[in-house]
Amino acid sequence: EVRLVESGGRVVLPGGSLRLSCAASGFTFDDYTMHWVRQVAGKGLEWVSHISWNGNSAYYADSVKGRFTVSRDNTNNSVFLQMDSLQSDDTAVYYCARSLIAPDYLDFWGQGTLVTVSS
Amino acid sequence: EIVLTQSPSTLSLSPGERATLSCRASRSLSSQYLAWYQQKVGQAPTLLIYDTSKRATGIPDRFSGTGSGTDFTLTIARLEPEDFAVYYCQQYDTSPLTFGGGAKVEIK
Repeated sequence: EVRLVESGGRVVLPGGSLRLSCAASGFTFDDYTMHWVRQVAGKGLEWVSHISWNGNSAYYADSVKGRFTVSRDNTNNSVFLQMDSLQSDDTAVYYCARSLIAPDYLDFWGQGTLVTVSS
Repeated sequence: EIVLTQSPSTLSLSPGERATLSCRASRSLSSQYLAWYQQKVGQAPTLLIYDTSKRATGIPDRFSGTGSGTDFTLTIARLEPEDFAVYYCQQYDTSPLTFGGGAKVEIK
């Protein structure tokens, strides 16, 4: 069974940092590009970042470029999102998702982790 | 980036009725790289359709996708109670990935 389980979301102060994790199981992790997508409560979906299967390439939305860093550990089947200089409009549920290539459709998503940036 | 506009934003229908959701792209998707997702309250999105018209694994055949160029459609032939949800289109023709604003199918 394919599983993606996000963790690390919590309340953080504006200007603070947070590291999200996504643990994968049930598939060959290093066959897949991994993505982070976020969703503000009651709003739509926004692609944030993706990292290639081997970690050699990473791409970011303009809204997070220079503040967020994606990485992966293929030994432990995990992908991470380091979030720095957090702002109130980064408050959202963050989902990790997979695709075979990039750009591509996202064929499986985790259940998400909530990040709240608030003083 | 390619902007996707979904219409209508809300569709009020009864079980058994047909739902037709539209997704219009700001420029042509040359390879018809468009997907549809369903999201129920409190859940993650799930993939319904990819490459405009291909159903994802396990998706019933009452869901169908059509379109080309800038205009795409998701049709639900006969609404079942579990189909009342929010639907998003997404293009992967060009980076960055972009999503439509969503369309809610609600019970009338």
